[in-house]
Formats: sequence, structure tokens, C-alpha cells
Amino acid sequence: SAVISQKPSRDICQRGTSLTIQCQVDSQVTMMFWYRQQPGQSLTLIATANQGSEATYESGFVIDKFPISRPNLTFSTLTVSNMSPEDSSIYLCSVEDRGAVAGYTFGSGTRLTVV
Amino acid sequence: AQSVTQPDIHITVSEGASLELRCNYSYGATPYLFWYVQSPGQGLQLLLKYFSGDTLVQGIKGFEAEFKRSQSSFNLRKPSVHWSDAAEYFCAVGASGAQKLVFGQGTRLTINP
Repeated sequence: SAVISQKPSRDICQRGTSLTIQCQVDSQVTMMFWYRQQPGQSLTLIATANQGSEATYESGFVIDKFPISRPNLTFSTLTVSNMSPEDSSIYLCSVEDRGAVAGYTFGSGTRLTVV
Repeated sequence: AQSVTQPDIHITVSEGASLELRCNYSYGATPYLFWYVQSPGQGLQLLLKYFSGDTLVQGIKGFEAEFKRSQSSFNLRKPSVHWSDAAEYFCAVGASGAQKLVFGQGTRLTINP
């Protein structure tokens, strides 16, 4: 299955600033997914990122707040912009495996605290 | 639209006891079903999945799950839990192709010694 390297693993940020989270995959994948997990909650999809096209955002998430880049088939970034304490969450990237162990692989997550 | 319900927010079992975590889904076609485990401070690890075929699916760490179409359920079981099984468990449903996953609310499992 794919191996995802996600960084930073955690960060504490001041409100009003922005943080960019990176995900690197060890194989080429068509789609990458970005999820948010608020404290004590389940995972909610933020957006789906295709290489070479604009990301597709889920209801309640907008590009100005969560801009995404997908410059190639192995890399993507998610930026959390103009942060507020409500953005404190774990952010995870994910890809769909097409290998022997099909499913979805997740990065280890970025634990963001906004103060 | 797809949806997943995990009725139990928190379950406590004794070490060595059997375990069953419930998952009910709503999806118009044949779903792809997954169970993930999240240990404290960790990402998600895939335990098992169901796409088609045998409705009893074996996974890692001694877990299994049974797909019951008539009940729209995909319950996770383990015959004897270990203290290291304490974690958050998420059931998820997806569609064919590179589609998003919809997650249940999760069940937190606590193991009593």
C-alpha cells in the first residue's frame, strides 16, 4: 500500500496566521483527499485534490480558507488561512490505494492548535 | 447520500473478553465498507475492508467483520481483546472508484485490566 509522509506532525499557531501542511506519497496517485478531525469528533472531508485541476470542496469548506495545491501526482499541500481557535483540529491527507491491499491510506495527521 | 452510524460512542470491556462494535450504513448501491483504528495521537490504520464476495472479512490484529446487507450493517468483532486494542474505531463507507469516504462518529474502546 501507499506510504504517506505528512508534515508538520503538530504545530501551535497564533490566530490570524496561516499554516501549510504537506503530504508526500511514495507512489503516483490520481486523487488526494484532505480531512479534518475536530477534537473528539469524526473525520470530515474538506476537499478532493486532482493533479492539474482545481480542488473540489465539500459543503462548508471554501478555497479562500483552505487553499490546496496539487503540483504533481505525489504531492499536495493544504493551507489553513487566517486561523482562529475554531480551526484547532487534526488534519489528515489520504489517498486511494490500488495495490494488493486496496483501500484508503491516511497520513499520520497534523495536530494544529490555534491560540 | 452515504451515511454511517456507530450507535456506541464509548464501550468498555475487560481484557480477554469478546468485542463487537456496531456499524450501520446507508447507501443506495453496494457499498465499500471499512473499519479503521486510531490510537491516541496517531493517524488511521486500516483494519479490514469489504468490497464484494465473502461477507465475513478477516482483518489485521485478529479482527473480523461481517457484512449483512439485509441489516445494512458491518459490525466489527474480536474474540478476545488485548489492552493494546484500546483506541478509537471508525467505520466508513465509500463508493467505487476514487471517491470520498464517509465516516461514522467513532467508538472509543476502553479495556479494563
